[in-house]
Amino acid sequence: AQTVTQSQPEMSVQEAETVTLSCTYDTSESDYYLFWYKQPPSRQMILVIRQEAYKQQNATENRFSVNFQKAAKSFSLKISDSQLGDAAMYFCAYRSALDEKLTFGTGTRLTIIP
Amino acid sequence: KAGVTQTPRYLIKTRGQQVTLSCSPISGHRSVSWYQQTPGQGLQFLFEYFSETQRNKGNFPGRFSGRQFSNSRSEMNVSTLELGDSALYLCASSLVGMVGEKLFFGSGTQLSVL
Repeated sequence: AQTVTQSQPEMSVQEAETVTLSCTYDTSESDYYLFWYKQPPSRQMILVIRQEAYKQQNATENRFSVNFQKAAKSFSLKISDSQLGDAAMYFCAYRSALDEKLTFGTGTRLTIIP
Repeated sequence: KAGVTQTPRYLIKTRGQQVTLSCSPISGHRSVSWYQQTPGQGLQFLFEYFSETQRNKGNFPGRFSGRQFSNSRSEMNVSTLELGDSALYLCASSLVGMVGEKLFFGSGTQLSVL
């Protein structure tokens, strides 16, 4: 079974600064997708960014970018120019192309310091 | 376009009872998946439905079941409730449930079992 590990339960960053959230995963498969989801206090999970394993180029969505290291099985999220609205729980997730199940990490609580 | 709607938002039940939760996907979405979120176990995949058929299932006991209607609305049922079933239950919808598709989540139903 695949596992997703987020080793930072909590992180904080000054407003306007840059922060990187870590995620590693364990799989023997070659075809899969990786995601970062954000869960604000409203509880609604929101997709931040996604990466297909076959694409070498790192995904970017405005202030959010990833560093995808397939050999190292690492998928970190970088948030640039942090804003107060970025405060939330961030979950890294893996979805296998084989069994199509979505596996989440334990989450990182991000606090933005004004 | 309306988002994913889950009802009710909060629910309190006692051990041994059964409960039914409802999820209305975004119009046009045919895939609905369900997740359980607890502080101890994190986010875990329950099952996925597509065109009224269960397409995938997580590792949960048979007390957890679901169904999908012809209009893509989905319900999940938990019978013989246990204290450990207290959790936030999230549903998500997508167009056809492809592995790399963006999932749109509802705000969840918070179930408390006393």
